[in-house]
Amino acid sequence: DVKVTQSSRYLVKRTGEKVFLECVQDMDHENMFWYRQDPGLGLRLIYFSYDVKMKEKGDIPEGYSVSREKKERFSLILESASTNQTSMYLCASTAGPSSYEQYFGPGTRLTVT
Amino acid sequence: GDSVTQMEGPVTLSEEACLTINCTYTATGYPSLFWYVQYPGEGLQLLLKATKADDKGSNKGFEATYRKETTSFHLEKGSVQVSDSAVYFCALDRDDKIIFGKGTRLHILP
Repeated sequence: DVKVTQSSRYLVKRTGEKVFLECVQDMDHENMFWYRQDPGLGLRLIYFSYDVKMKEKGDIPEGYSVSREKKERFSLILESASTNQTSMYLCASTAGPSSYEQYFGPGTRLTVT
Repeated sequence: GDSVTQMEGPVTLSEEACLTINCTYTATGYPSLFWYVQYPGEGLQLLLKATKADDKGSNKGFEATYRKETTSFHLEKGSVQVSDSAVYFCALDRDDKIIFGKGTRLHILP
């Protein structure tokens, strides 16, 4: 059974803290993605990666960075968390081009106070 | 740019009612089209997809047909169940990424 796991389901951080969200997939997928999900806005792509050490900006990269040191792991970093980064964060992976199915983790609900 | 527009929710239906969730898209070329579903407390999962015009995707009693002439991909089910309560996302692929609609929340009453 394919699996994408995220390090935390719920996280509460203070403004200005550095925050790491971890995502691990066990399917040997090349491509990994980070989205944020907000009511009324749907899913918006933050960053994605096609290979180890590669990263590409999505539609809303400002305030975020990513790291992919190993194929199975893709980390999202909030360098200095702000209240407008309070959101649900979803990680996904896929084996090939965008016409392939994306497999999602359960999400991390981050609250920045 | 490419985009997906789906009907706003929430949609509330009684069990065994017919369901249609409208989805239209704007795209250059011929993207693949998808419906993803998000059950409470979970991530998204693929419900069905279609890769070319007139293709019909189907799964778990849901269907959607890729209509190029109307640029639509409406989701339909003949008889919904309480377990179908979820958020449904229409999506298309563009440049190796997926563009999602804003989602439609569906409530099914017993």
